[in-house]
Amino acid sequence: AQSVTQPDIHITVSEGASLELRCNYSYGATPYLFWYVQSPGQGLQLLLKYFSGDTLVQGIKGFEAEFKRSQSSFNLRKPSVHWSDAAEYFCAVVDSGMDSNYQLIWGAGTKLIIKP
Amino acid sequence: NAGVTQTPKFQVLKTGQSMTLQCAQDMNHNSMYWYRQDPGMGLRLIYYSASEGTTDKGEVPNGYNVSRLNKREFSLRLESAAPSQTSVYFCASSEVRQGASADTQYFGPGTRLTVL
Repeated sequence: AQSVTQPDIHITVSEGASLELRCNYSYGATPYLFWYVQSPGQGLQLLLKYFSGDTLVQGIKGFEAEFKRSQSSFNLRKPSVHWSDAAEYFCAVVDSGMDSNYQLIWGAGTKLIIKP
Repeated sequence: NAGVTQTPKFQVLKTGQSMTLQCAQDMNHNSMYWYRQDPGMGLRLIYYSASEGTTDKGEVPNGYNVSRLNKREFSLRLESAAPSQTSVYFCASSEVRQGASADTQYFGPGTRLTVL
């Protein structure tokens, strides 16, 4: 079965420092990949998505992610974090297996903590 | 344009009570979803509706029923609540474009349910 792994449960970063959140997936062909952000007490908001084409994808709020087929990864990056980026971040991949009807498989999430 | 709305925002039930969570979207999307979110487990799909008039089970459907009332509304019912159903419930909707297997899901703000 397909799976999505976010190895870091929590990450603490100083304000102004760079950020990389890791996401690995298990899937043979080119997947459809998403990053969502969830602010405390809120629903999920799409940051960016990759379906095909350029492997470096730009998203909202200054985030970007790079699809690396050889590493089965889709890591999220931001050059300089702001206190408002404190949130939980979820990686998801489309399940294109038989009978899946293309539902999303979600990682467990990474909570980002910003140090002042 | 409110996007995806959910009611209620909070609910406390006693074991064995029933309730219905309401969800509506005003984006004219065909597909709608119900997820539950538990700490450390990401999102798990309960039920989904690929189009008006159809519903299908997701990963964790036991103890739940759904109704796709019309294109806008998708409700989730707990017939006999159990403490294991204490969770945050999210509704989402998506417009899967012709020729695509998946697209962005838009989320409501969630319902925090506690079953005592």
